[in-house]
Amino acid sequence: QVQLQESGPGLVKPSETLSLTCTVSGASMSSYYWTWIRQPAGKGLEWIGRFYIGGTTDYNPSLKSRVTMSVDTSKRQFSLNLSSVTAADTAVYYCARERYFDWIFFFDRWGQGTRVTVSA
Amino acid sequence: DIQMSQSPSFLSASVGDRVAITCRASQSISNYLNWYQQKPGKAPKLLIYGVSSLQSGVPSRISGSGSGTEFTLTISSLQPEDFATYFCQQTSSTPRTFGQGTKVEVK
Repeated sequence: QVQLQESGPGLVKPSETLSLTCTVSGASMSSYYWTWIRQPAGKGLEWIGRFYIGGTTDYNPSLKSRVTMSVDTSKRQFSLNLSSVTAADTAVYYCARERYFDWIFFFDRWGQGTRVTVSA
Repeated sequence: DIQMSQSPSFLSASVGDRVAITCRASQSISNYLNWYQQKPGKAPKLLIYGVSSLQSGVPSRISGSGSGTEFTLTISSLQPEDFATYFCQQTSSTPRTFGQGTKVEVK
């Protein structure tokens, strides 16, 4: 059973860097896109970015200047760093697996989400 | 970016009702359209990918249709576990974008 689990601080101060990790179990990290998505309280879903091991990394242009994603395959973990945070970055952050079948892409596995609040 | 819009934003219905949610894309996305269901405090769950392919384990009362810029999610006979928020999502290009969501509430 494929499982994803987010971890990281629930409270980050304004102007600091938000750092989250997603641990993957039950599946290889190869042949999939690994993704971060966030959802402010009561609002919709915003795609932050994704990477493919040994391949491309794509970031949302609206966040690109502040986002970095990385992976540690030996630990089966991938990470999100979002710099210079403000209150607008307060949200539930999800990691997800994007897979493709006949060139149709979809998010088939999600972590449970971790709530991050930006506040002094 | 491709903008996705859903209608209605809120839908009141009763158990047994047939409900339909519409999703429109700001440009053609061919068949690169997925639907997710989200319940309070939970992560979204994939229901349909590629417009009409049912994810494993999703009941057959849920179906999807459409192409190009207009798509529909239909629940043929609403069940108690279907009261939730539904999102469409395009994977034609990056950044991936979602509709704003449709909340299906008890009438």
